Amino acid sequence: NAGVTQTPKFRVLKTGQSMTLLCAQDMNHEYMYWYRQDPGMGLRLIHYSVGEGTTAKGEVPDGYNVSRLKKQNFLLGLESAAPSQTSVYFCASRKWETTDTYFGEGSWLTVV
Amino acid sequence: AQSVTQLDSQVPVFEEAPVELRCNYSSSVSVYLFWYVQYPNQGLQLLLKYLSGSTLVKGINGFEAEFNKSQTSFHLRKPSVHISDTAEYFCAVRLTQGGSEKLVFGKGTKLTVNP
Repeated sequence: NAGVTQTPKFRVLKTGQSMTLLCAQDMNHEYMYWYRQDPGMGLRLIHYSVGEGTTAKGEVPDGYNVSRLKKQNFLLGLESAAPSQTSVYFCASRKWETTDTYFGEGSWLTVV
Repeated sequence: AQSVTQLDSQVPVFEEAPVELRCNYSSSVSVYLFWYVQYPNQGLQLLLKYLSGSTLVKGINGFEAEFNKSQTSFHLRKPSVHISDTAEYFCAVRLTQGGSEKLVFGKGTKLTVNP
């Protein structure tokens, strides 16, 4: 009963390094989302996808790229990490025409 | 555009006291509204949602919320809180834009229940 799984859970990066966060869902959901959570800011949408092969920008997309090559996976990439990208990242998914969005457990990223 | 305002960033209460966490939204169209809870170092869990119909919705863990269209509010309430209710609570509205739908969150309210 995995639901939405994020890897890795914790990561420390040096400024300028690159990395990819993986989100996997086993519920056959069409919609997938990447949010970042910062103290006092709530959750802000980075990018989202409405289906395999499609992606779109959210509220704070700069510095991030995404890919949805398979329906069950949504990858978030940081090409050149910056300290401002230190945050907790949450992946979420939802089935088309339903209202419930399911969240992963979060990925804690620190950029030094 | 739709946005969500949570009026209190922190709410301290004593155990067994009632609590209300306030949420106001701005929208010119019908809305879907949600409350999520986040326990320390965990993901978000859906507490309750308003889609249509009865304006009083009941959720898990004894929480309920009332949708008030005239005041554009969706306040969360619990008549008697427990220590285990200590968490951060997020109000959210579903935004429909360009044929796709996504959640827009408020900044959160940290509820601390003291013994």
